Amino acid sequence: AQSVTQLGSHVSVSEGALVLLRCNYSSSVPPYLFWYVQYPNQGLQLLLKYTSAATLVKGINGFEAEFKKSETSFHLTKPSAHMSDAAEYFCAVSVDNQGGKLIFGQGTELSVKP
Amino acid sequence: GAGVSQSPSNKVTEKGKDVELRCDPISGHTALYWYRQSLGQGLEFLIYFQGNSAPDKSGLPSDRFSAERTGGSVSTLTIQRTQQEDSAVYLCASSLEQGGNSPLHFGNGTRLTVT
Repeated sequence: AQSVTQLGSHVSVSEGALVLLRCNYSSSVPPYLFWYVQYPNQGLQLLLKYTSAATLVKGINGFEAEFKKSETSFHLTKPSAHMSDAAEYFCAVSVDNQGGKLIFGQGTELSVKP
Repeated sequence: GAGVSQSPSNKVTEKGKDVELRCDPISGHTALYWYRQSLGQGLEFLIYFQGNSAPDKSGLPSDRFSAERTGGSVSTLTIQRTQQEDSAVYLCASSLEQGGNSPLHFGNGTRLTVT
């Protein structure tokens, strides 16, 4: 079975500082990995996805994530935080034999201080 | 084009009543998923459809929950005899294919409050 662990339910950074949101996964078969962002009272929006083409994945809004098989990690980073990045971020895993079903982590709420 | 549309956006119901939640997926998307988002529980998978059939309904919490999809398009999630613990945001998503690398596109959800 697949699972996702996001370390830290809440992360706070200053505007302009590095953003690092941690995600570790567990999967017995090669996984596909995703990061989604959820703004208040909205649905989830895809930030980026890893599908084995490249280990460093670039997404929207300046975010990127690196797949590290040896560490079973897929951490999300952004060099310089902006106030508009404040939201909840979800890491998710899926595999080919389960119909595209996503298994989500618990989420990390990102706060950005001026 | 239009995204995934869910209705109603908010629903308040009394304990014991039945509710129906509707999802209109993106046109042409063959796979459709229902999730539940509640405080402390994160995002829980409920059920997914490929066309009109549901290969995986393992996440439905109890037999009070059911879902159907007609015409390979609209889906309804029905909760019978609602309980307070059913209060949550119910999210629907669709994807072009059911493969693991096909991203899900989410609607804005239906916030259900059971009083």
